[in-house]
Amino acid sequence: AAGVIQSPRHLIKEKRETATLKCYPIPRHDTVYWYQQGPGQDPQFLISFYEKMQSDKGSIPDRFSAQQFSDYHSELNMSSLELGDSALYFCASSPSRLAGGSYNEQFFGPGTRLTVL
Amino acid sequence: AQSVTQPDIHITVSEGASLELRCNYSYGATPYLFWYVQSPGQGLQLLLKYFSGDTLVQGIKGFEAEFKRSQSSFNLRKPSVHWSDAAEYFCAYHNYGQNFVFGPGTRLSVLP
Repeated sequence: AAGVIQSPRHLIKEKRETATLKCYPIPRHDTVYWYQQGPGQDPQFLISFYEKMQSDKGSIPDRFSAQQFSDYHSELNMSSLELGDSALYFCASSPSRLAGGSYNEQFFGPGTRLTVL
Repeated sequence: AQSVTQPDIHITVSEGASLELRCNYSYGATPYLFWYVQSPGQGLQLLLKYFSGDTLVQGIKGFEAEFKRSQSSFNLRKPSVHWSDAAEYFCAYHNYGQNFVFGPGTRLSVLP
């Protein structure tokens, strides 16, 4: 079965650089969520999109932005990277409510490990 | 504030022993509850979930969890632990269309 795809899987950047993380949800999933998991921490919700519109916002820094495109993939853009941004970034997707899916069940991708030097 | 607590930061059990990982949530209504497992450097794998109905739910890898409304708990159990079960376990809830709230996690170590 198709799963959530995230790219790249690993990314190394230097301070003050920018990074773009991509997420491709499971087909027919219209909701995408982004989470940040620091070393030894639990995942923290950043932001979510439903039908290409921002649906909820968590602890996302102002330096970060995200969007969902017409094909439902999402990109998390991170600027002025700081050492503290080093973390595992997860994307999750939920089935379409219109399709009768269980929209509260999220399917997680493998994550992108970002290292800021 | 809505939250999920996992009282045990680290648990060590011997292979073949039984396991119970505790999870408590604070939320007025019955949320949707989940247990995820994460191996080092890996993503989150869903073990099981509770939406409604039977309060004892079965998951993958021989895990089960029991929802107890009176105790606001959703404890994860396994009758016989295998060495491959060593990982980090996260309890989470999802309340009606909003994002997930994860507990702090419990790290499970398995002794041979």
